Amino acid sequence: QKEVEQNSGPLSVPEGAIASLNCTYSDRGSQSFFWYRQYSGKSPELIMSIYSNGDKEDGRFTAQLNKASQYVSLLIRDSQPSDSATYLCAVNHFGNEKLTFGTGTRLTIIP
Amino acid sequence: DAGITQSPRHKVTETGTPVTLRCHQTENHRYMYWYRQDPGHGLRLIHYSYGVKDTDKGEVSDGYSVSRSKTEDFLLTLESATSSQTSVYFCAISESGTGTTDTQYFGPGTRLTVL
Repeated sequence: QKEVEQNSGPLSVPEGAIASLNCTYSDRGSQSFFWYRQYSGKSPELIMSIYSNGDKEDGRFTAQLNKASQYVSLLIRDSQPSDSATYLCAVNHFGNEKLTFGTGTRLTIIP
Repeated sequence: DAGITQSPRHKVTETGTPVTLRCHQTENHRYMYWYRQDPGHGLRLIHYSYGVKDTDKGEVSDGYSVSRSKTEDFLLTLESATSSQTSVYFCAISESGTGTTDTQYFGPGTRLTVL
């Protein structure tokens, strides 16, 4: 079983709709959760971080964390063509210096 | 953008030759990381450093070595390159490394092809 799992996609969403990206993790000791966006041929860039159960909102992005069910999700409201990218979920165990990444979900926003 | 540069950005080399990739940061961050990214595998940690001359292995360290003689520079060396090391290599930096309230910022990447 992979430590961090994401649906590889591709996930196609109409422009203006809500895109929902999901990530599950196996280590119950995980404490920190990150979403990165990676455009084709570019490096990953941080979008959101979340550490507590519940929702965290930043503009059009909302991260949701449920530690009991071991999943973290990213919602993108009012999806734009510029949101088309691969989204990487990363997880960190408390006090651990290393992140574990999922393989990413490719998102395509259809105009 | 975090002040991270990688050199070279692209390299083509032959099997059996040594290759060194350089990561340079201007943020004075303590932690530096080397990852490789391959289709179907995502980002995998090769080695990381938690200070000058302090390094540790990641999950895919075989065939790679690293050195960090200055805070700002982290070198990745492929002693004898193989075709399986064809990949995109990313350097990342982190201020504290624990991840609890900190995060990693990535350099632009180096595309390495081993023929």
